[in-house]
Amino acid sequence: AQSVAQPEDQVNVAEGNPLTVKCTYSVSGNPYLFWYVQYPNRGLQFLLKYITGDNLVKGSYGFEAEFNKSQTSFHLKKPSALVSDSALYFCAVRATDSNYQLIWGAGTKLIIKP
Amino acid sequence: GAGVSQTPSNKVTEKGKYVELRCDPISGHTALYWYRQSLGQGPEFLIYFQGTGAADDSGLPNDRFFAVRPEGSVSTLKIQRTERGDSAVYLCASSRQPTEGETQYFGPGTRLLVL
Repeated sequence: AQSVAQPEDQVNVAEGNPLTVKCTYSVSGNPYLFWYVQYPNRGLQFLLKYITGDNLVKGSYGFEAEFNKSQTSFHLKKPSALVSDSALYFCAVRATDSNYQLIWGAGTKLIIKP
Repeated sequence: GAGVSQTPSNKVTEKGKYVELRCDPISGHTALYWYRQSLGQGPEFLIYFQGTGAADDSGLPNDRFFAVRPEGSVSTLKIQRTERGDSAVYLCASSRQPTEGETQYFGPGTRLLVL
């Protein structure tokens, strides 16, 4: 069965420090991987995705993610955190043999402290 | 440009009532998806439309849930005989094409509360 795991319910980072939000996945085919961010009372906003090619993907708001096939991971990173990055982050995966639905992690709450 | 819109933003109803939730996708997007998100969880797939037809409704929890997209644009999610367990945020997303790598763009959601 396809699944996504976000092992941390919450991540706390001081402003200006680098941040990492972890994601691991399990799929039967080649994965397409996505990161979304959700601010309170707002919809999910697309950040970045991995389809193929370079394992390091750059996205919106200075975020990037690294696809690691051997570790089946797709961790979200940012070199220098901002207080405004505080939000709920979701990792999602779609397999090449899927029916187009996204399989989602449970989300990680990111708190950036001034 | 205009994003995905959903109405109403909030809906409070009583147990046993019927509700309709509307989604207006991004213009030109042929694929439309409905998800349900409960507090503290990631979205859960409900149904996917390609054009006017439901290509995959495997996520609908039971026959009280039904969705339509008669003209291939706006979609309506219908819930009959609502139960308290139906309370959640219902999210709609659209994408240009139903290919694996296409990004799904989400609306703000409809927060449904069944009393």
